[in-house]
Amino acid sequence: ETGVTQSPTHLIKTRGQQVTLRCSSQSGHNTVSWYQQALGQGPQFIFQYYREEENGRGNFPPRFSGLQFPNYSSELNVNALELDDSALYLCASSLWGEGYNEQFFGPGTRLTVL
Amino acid sequence: QKEVEQNSGPLSVPEGAIASLNCTYSDRVSQSFFWYRQYSGKSPELIMSIYSNGDKEDGRFTAQLNKASQYVSLLIRDSQPSDSATYLCARRMDSSYKLIFGSGTRLLVRP
Repeated sequence: ETGVTQSPTHLIKTRGQQVTLRCSSQSGHNTVSWYQQALGQGPQFIFQYYREEENGRGNFPPRFSGLQFPNYSSELNVNALELDDSALYLCASSLWGEGYNEQFFGPGTRLTVL
Repeated sequence: QKEVEQNSGPLSVPEGAIASLNCTYSDRVSQSFFWYRQYSGKSPELIMSIYSNGDKEDGRFTAQLNKASQYVSLLIRDSQPSDSATYLCARRMDSSYKLIFGSGTRLLVRP
């Protein structure tokens, strides 16, 4: 069984730039959720993708957008980067409709905005 | 009021002791709860999930849910130094898809 993978591991960008983060879901899973974790805080929900459509969104501006592909992998895109976007970005995969809908996290992408 | 509240700690216990981590939440709608462990610099790792009132045991871990009092707890028996980490409590309402996390409790297990 293959776990959740994310790329890249680390990324440094400057304010105003755009970034794309990638996630491959765990085998057998069909749903991907993205979270932002600032230092010392719990993860904050950004959005979730199921069947290639956004299935729900947290309190994040439209410059945060995403995609899900037919193989259930996903991308998170952030435009017009701000200093406050510096955080650990986590992807979690799950199987929609199964039990507790447990979500399993990938290793994360550490984004630094200068 | 935060939706999920945890004491930030650190909670310090000696090796071999029982560590008790607590989490309170702000409403009574039907929901599921999850405990994640997060080592410094790493991503959260799912330890336990619980939906029904009462206790759920898995190895050295026991999750306890009390919906009337709106709290969920995690007990770690025979604590080991390798259990030193931040423990995140999360809830998911049945009508929703997102996890709502607390800020986490840092646990230190002293050798």
